[in-house]
Amino acid sequence: QLQLQESGPGLVKPSETLSLTCTVSGDSFSSSTDWWDWIRQPPGKGLEWIGSIHDSGSTHYNPSLKSRLTISVDTSNNQYSLKLSSVTAADTAVYYCARRTRRDEKYHYYYMDVWGKGTTVTVSS
Amino acid sequence: DIQMTQSPSSLSASLGDRVTITCRASQTISNYLNWYQQIPGKAPKLLIHAASSLQSGVPSRFSGSGSGTDFTLTISSLQREDVAAYYCQQAYSVPYIFGQGTKLEIE
Repeated sequence: QLQLQESGPGLVKPSETLSLTCTVSGDSFSSSTDWWDWIRQPPGKGLEWIGSIHDSGSTHYNPSLKSRLTISVDTSNNQYSLKLSSVTAADTAVYYCARRTRRDEKYHYYYMDVWGKGTTVTVSS
Repeated sequence: DIQMTQSPSSLSASLGDRVTITCRASQTISNYLNWYQQIPGKAPKLLIHAASSLQSGVPSRFSGSGSGTDFTLTISSLQREDVAAYYCQQAYSVPYIFGQGTKLEIE
């Protein structure tokens, strides 16, 4: 059974870089139908899609974060990572990683079917 | 960006009630629409994909419909464990925007 686990510092200082890793276990990390996504949720607010990466290295970024965002993949360790630079208090949130997949290669519809439990990141001095 | 607008923002209903949540896209997204349930303190859970396809393991009281710009999530008979926030998400184009959420409570 596929499982995802976020890890990284819970506290980041303003203007520094937020770095998180998602470790994937229990299933193959390399599949043509799978993308690996990051989503965040500020306290008491809704969900914001951050970006995604394929094991080929292709990425999609939310334009609102693109100038500060880097998502990378380490297929040898079944991990992918997020780096968000120049953080402010507005980046305080629970950060989730999730698999975005589709039923098979003929199915056009992608959905996020497996999520990590989330990790809280606070930006504060 | 394609914006997603859910209504209502919050909803209170009685056990056994039929509950409907709507989601509207700012432009047509065919049926590239997913629904998620988020119980307080937990990660979101996929309920419906492609507007109307029930995810494996999700109770059949949940259903989705719609196409184009207007979509609905229906709970046919509200159960206590359905207390949660519900989010729609467009899967048509980047960025994959979520609706602002609907908080569902029991009366």
